[in-house]
Amino acid sequence: EAQVTQNPRYLITVTGKKLTVTCSQNMNHEYMSWYRQDPGLGLRQIYYSMNVEVTDKGDVPEGYKVSRKEKRNFPLILESPSPNQTSLYFCASSLNLASEAFFGQGTRLTVV
Amino acid sequence: AQSVSQHNHHVILSEAASLELGCNYSYGGTVNLFWYVQYPGQHLQLLLKYFSGDPLVKGIKGFEAEFIKSKFSFNLRKPSVQWSDTAEYFCAVENGNTGKLIFGQGTTLQVKP
Repeated sequence: EAQVTQNPRYLITVTGKKLTVTCSQNMNHEYMSWYRQDPGLGLRQIYYSMNVEVTDKGDVPEGYKVSRKEKRNFPLILESPSPNQTSLYFCASSLNLASEAFFGQGTRLTVV
Repeated sequence: AQSVSQHNHHVILSEAASLELGCNYSYGGTVNLFWYVQYPGQHLQLLLKYFSGDPLVKGIKGFEAEFIKSKFSFNLRKPSVQWSDTAEYFCAVENGNTGKLIFGQGTTLQVKP
């Protein structure tokens, strides 16, 4: 089954404790991206990657890191999480530009 | 800077009413346009998209959207809504050169049976 898989689905952590949210897709898509969804703000793009070893900043990259060492995986790294990073995070992949984005189920992160 | 604006934040309609959700963007270059829907507790799903050709595009579940280049708009329409259309709707604009994707703030649609 074609899908985008994020882990974990729920995470509560403390300020400053490094964490990684994994994202994997099995559709051989070139384009992958991360978003955060906050009430009243819609989805805001954090980082995106148009291919292996190519990553670019989205609208809200501060406090986040990503890597794209292989096509299927695009982990999101929070080196030192802060409470303002409490949010619902979505990973998405698409074949290329102008293609439908397939979204993961989301990761609800709470930083206390 | 590229931005997307959805004018209606919360819309309440009765079943069988017609729907139009506005979406405007600010970017003068090549764009690819999308409408996504998010049902309660679920992830986003594509309703329809436009990247070239006929500016009137049809999507799933009876939705359609019209791209008006001169107005930088991509409004979503449906002639007759159903209770099952209750969801949040997002317009998204992709920069055709860089691939950067910007979403609007979303419109919550509530359809009363």
